[in-house]
Amino acid sequence: EVQLVQSGAEVKKPGEPLKISCKDSGHSFSTSWIGWVRQMPGKGLEWMGIIYPGDSDTRYSPSFQGQVTISADKAIKTAFLQWNSLKASDSAMYYCARLNDRIDPFDIWGQGTMVTVSS
Amino acid sequence: ETVLTQSPDFQSVTPKKKVTITCRASQSVGNRLHWYQQKPGQSPKLVIKFASQSVSGVPSRFSGSGSGTVFTLTINSLEAEDAATYYCHQTWSFPGLTFGGGTKVEIK
Repeated sequence: EVQLVQSGAEVKKPGEPLKISCKDSGHSFSTSWIGWVRQMPGKGLEWMGIIYPGDSDTRYSPSFQGQVTISADKAIKTAFLQWNSLKASDSAMYYCARLNDRIDPFDIWGQGTMVTVSS
Repeated sequence: ETVLTQSPDFQSVTPKKKVTITCRASQSVGNRLHWYQQKPGQSPKLVIKFASQSVSGVPSRFSGSGSGTVFTLTINSLEAEDAATYYCHQTWSFPGLTFGGGTKVEIK
């Protein structure tokens, strides 16, 4: 069974950097897209961006462009979401999810990584 | 950006009744409209893909219809385990993916 396993919950201070991860246990990491989705407390799903690990083609939602960086390491079948300088408003649950092809739905989701930013 | 508007925001429904959720797109998304179920404390789960295609392992009481700009998710004979928030999602405008705002379904 294909799974996306995310790194654990994080508690950070404003201004600190952070990099969270999403590891693919399957065999199609390089031929699928991995997306990141934010869910703020009590709110809906927001698409942040997506990467094709096969060639590192990365696209961002305009709302998140310049705010985060998405990357991937094919050798360890892991995608990453990082911030250079966290803000309190970055406190949220972050999910990674897989698209087999660009028209497909997100068929596999990670368990989520809770990020809390507080002074 | 393709905006997806769901209605209603909230529904309280008696078990065994039918639930209908609507998702309207600001421009045509063809059939590239998908539905997810998210229960409290859990990740979203795909329940309907490409507007009306069933997903393996999802009960047959879940169905979808529509094309272009108006789509419907129907849950026939609601069960207690169906209490969740449901989201529509379009992949027509890749990479400009968007989600609807969600519809919370409560069991009366």
